Amino acid sequence: QQPVQSPQAVILREGEDAVINCSSSKALYSVHWYRQKHGEAPVFLMILLKGGEQKGHEKISASFNEKKQQSSLYLTASQLSYSGTYFCGTSKGIGNTPLVFGKGTRLSVIA
Amino acid sequence: EAGVAQSPRYKIIEKRQSVAFWCNPISGHATLYWYQQILGQGPKLLIQFQNNGVVDDSQLPKDRFSAERLKGVDSTLKIQPAKLEDSAVYLCASSPIGGGQYFGPGTRLLVL
Repeated sequence: QQPVQSPQAVILREGEDAVINCSSSKALYSVHWYRQKHGEAPVFLMILLKGGEQKGHEKISASFNEKKQQSSLYLTASQLSYSGTYFCGTSKGIGNTPLVFGKGTRLSVIA
Repeated sequence: EAGVAQSPRYKIIEKRQSVAFWCNPISGHATLYWYQQILGQGPKLLIQFQNNGVVDDSQLPKDRFSAERLKGVDSTLKIQPAKLEDSAVYLCASSPIGGGQYFGPGTRLLVL
């Protein structure tokens, strides 16, 4: 079942913060976050596993609420380079089980 | 470290023709994925390999799509015959055990 991402799109000024949410109706084992710039391939940001969380980048972090089947991606002090579409991918199993990706959140950072 | 390689980068064919895509994963990555990404949507998994065995191909349209991963390294994805709705970007990704997925540049397919 495809996870639901919100918001669908957001526009920020440089230096502002943003939160992107990813929710599933099914029990999750892990949540992956990716960023895709226009015309490019998705780039892996981080994985969050059931029972823990992993911080992949200095100003980009995420949380995983297992009870709510929800993950949130936090972008702090946004930079122009943060612009792109953010996708969450969710899996129900251990190891490299198949991911189901959300429809994405388009983030635009302007000067 | 070299990334995931894919070829060709672009392909234009007419409907009912056949096409093949090639992928070379990151060295040492046992898991390989093929995704279809339609404009404005997230990647949709077509098939996942673990070494040269299939883990999941539940969303692969098997009447027209096929994929193989010989010797657990390179992989090819074939479409025969192509339909208009197959126009999309085909992404290959690989991952280490328990890690994130690393995507190749993709093949942009246009079916006329």
